[in-house]
Amino acid sequence: GAVVSQHPSWVICKSGTSVKIECRSLDFQATTMFWYRQFPKQSLMLMATSNEGSKATYEQGVEKDKFLINHASLTLSTLTVTSAHPEDSSFYICSARDDRDYGYTFGSGTRLTVV
Amino acid sequence: AQSVTQPDIHITVSEGASLELRCNYSYGATPYLFWYVQSPGQGLQLLLKYFSGDTLVQGIKGFEAEFKRSQSSFNLRKPSVHWSDAAEYFCAAGASAGTALIFGKGTTLSVSS
Repeated sequence: GAVVSQHPSWVICKSGTSVKIECRSLDFQATTMFWYRQFPKQSLMLMATSNEGSKATYEQGVEKDKFLINHASLTLSTLTVTSAHPEDSSFYICSARDDRDYGYTFGSGTRLTVV
Repeated sequence: AQSVTQPDIHITVSEGASLELRCNYSYGATPYLFWYVQSPGQGLQLLLKYFSGDTLVQGIKGFEAEFKRSQSSFNLRKPSVHWSDAAEYFCAAGASAGTALIFGKGTTLSVSS
C-alpha cells in the first residue's frame, strides 16, 4: 500500500529557532500534499495545500511567513516553522494525495515542542 | 460553510458489544466521505471511504459505514468491539476527488472489559 514517511517524529527546539519537517511519499507520486495541525484532544485543522512546483495555498488565519512550505518534487514536501515560539508547539501531520487514484495517505505525524 | 460534525465526544462500549459512531456532514453536494482511526501520538489509518455507489461500505478491521443522503450522515459501525479498537475516530469529507479533507472533531472510543 501507499506509504508516507514523515520526519522527524518528534522534535524539541528552543524558542526563536526554526524547525523543518519532511513529508515524503515513498512509493507513489504526489503532486499535492496537505499539512494539518492537531492540538491535544482536538481535530485536525488544515493549514495549507502544497502543490509541486508552485506556491502553497494557506488557510485563513495561517501565517505563511511563519509556516514555510516547499514542494520541490513529486515525492517531497517540507514544512518549516520559522522563529518558533511555545504556542507553535503542536502535532503536525502531512497527507499526500496519490496522483494515480487521488487516495490520501497520512504521515505518522511530528510532535513539535518549543521551549 | 462545509463542515463535518461528530456529535459524540466520547463513547464507552463493552468488549463484544456493537458500536455505532455518528457523523453528519454539511456540503452543497454529496462529498467524498472517510473514516479514519488514530492511536495516541500516531498518524491516521483509513478505515473506509465512500465516493459513490453502494451506500453500505465495508472497511478494514470489521468496520462498515452506511451513507444516508436523506440524513446527511455517514455512521460507522462494528458488530463486536475488541479492546484493541480503543482509539480516536475521525470522520472526514472532501468536496471532490483530491481536495483537502475537512475533519470532524473526533470521537474517543473506550472499551470496557
